Amino acid sequence: KQEVTQIPAALSVPEGENLVLNCSFTDSAIYNLQWFRQDPGKGLTSLLLIQSSQREQTSGRLNASLDKSSGRSTLYIAASQPGDSATYLCAVNRGSSNTGKLIFGQGTTLQVKP
Amino acid sequence: DVKVTQSSRYLVKRTGEKVFLECVQDMDHENMFWYRQDPGLGLRLIYFSYDVKMKEKGDIPEGYSVSREKKERFSLILESASTNQTSMYLCASSSPGVRGGHQPQHFGDGTRLSIL
Repeated sequence: KQEVTQIPAALSVPEGENLVLNCSFTDSAIYNLQWFRQDPGKGLTSLLLIQSSQREQTSGRLNASLDKSSGRSTLYIAASQPGDSATYLCAVNRGSSNTGKLIFGQGTTLQVKP
Repeated sequence: DVKVTQSSRYLVKRTGEKVFLECVQDMDHENMFWYRQDPGLGLRLIYFSYDVKMKEKGDIPEGYSVSREKKERFSLILESASTNQTSMYLCASSSPGVRGGHQPQHFGDGTRLSIL
């Protein structure tokens, strides 16, 4: 059974710092992996999607990498800002079917202090 | 931009009531999903639909049903609401990509449902 883990559960950094959020999954048979951002009381916003054939994706100050063989993904945030404060979730697209069903990690809550 | 709209942000209902949560997307997506999100348990898939009138159970379907009569609309139904169904409910939609690589899932803002 696929399990997704995110460590740490919470992170607090000063503004301007570069940081890495971690995501690990137990079954390497995935179609893709997606990173989301969630602000308090809101829905999820898709940040990056990495297909299983890709190694990384970049969008602005965000870079996500995928290592299927080791069951790991990282989200790198460069030059963090207070507006980056949110919960970050990773999710894998289950490999047993082609329906887009996701399995989510518990998330990492990030606080960027001014 | 993709827009997924959930009919209510907050909803309060009583135990035993039949509750309808509505979700509409405007991007002609084939796939639609209903999740619930609870502290310590994360997001869990309740039901999903990959086409009109098609549905499939997710991980926690007990106590719920769904309806998809039109491509853009996916309804979640609590047949007889119970207090343990108090939660944040999130709807999402996506389109299958080529060669099995699905496109990103897009989420609504959620409905915070309280069952008293």
